[in-house]
Amino acid sequence: DSGVTQTPKHLITATGQRVTLRCSPRSGDLSVYWYQQSLDQGLQFLIQYYNGEERAKGNILERFSAQQFPDLHSELNLSSLELGDSALYFCASRGGRTNTGELFFGEGSRLTVL
Amino acid sequence: AQSVTQLDSQVPVFEEAPVELRCNYSSSVSVYLFWYVQYPNQGLQLLLKYLSGSTLVKGINGFEAEFNKSQTSFHLRKPSVHISDTAEYFCAVSPAQGGSEKLVFGKGTKLTVNP
Repeated sequence: DSGVTQTPKHLITATGQRVTLRCSPRSGDLSVYWYQQSLDQGLQFLIQYYNGEERAKGNILERFSAQQFPDLHSELNLSSLELGDSALYFCASRGGRTNTGELFFGEGSRLTVL
Repeated sequence: AQSVTQLDSQVPVFEEAPVELRCNYSSSVSVYLFWYVQYPNQGLQLLLKYLSGSTLVKGINGFEAEFNKSQTSFHLRKPSVHISDTAEYFCAVSPAQGGSEKLVFGKGTKLTVNP
């Protein structure tokens, strides 16, 4: 158990819809990272938040947005969904008092867009 | 910017045979290097990491990797694999200092251990 919790584990929705994925980082971790894993693109970095502020942006579509709340949990919002958005979305955290370099990953949220 | 190339997308081996999964990286700055494992329907679990010091690092489940700066490689090895090692393995790199410290991943190597 990495200590990172993601909900929901599975989500099936239709094109054009909007979904929200939630992540609770490890206790004490200030940084949250979102990654998208798909068969053709592999693991792609989407966005990072540090203590509530956006820190870095990767290949995140304009239809996607994220935020980190004062209690440090994070949400990834995906809107106007397309078939190609079907993927596994991972949240990871790091940056507690002891930063040992690695990211700690949740088990992911599998999104299926029909 | 950093990038990672995992040279083999699939590696089939027999149980108790040795295995090497290859990883090369590109970076203009000093890096940290990682190997993660993903079992079916699970998240990514850290196998081992190189931050500094000894270039041979040992990880969980009997895996080890060697950092070779001149060849910009970080190959993963295990002397004798088990059926339970069947999984996908990801090499990752991040800058050692500064920046967002995000991990950049390779495309993964699927290791299949056959009886």
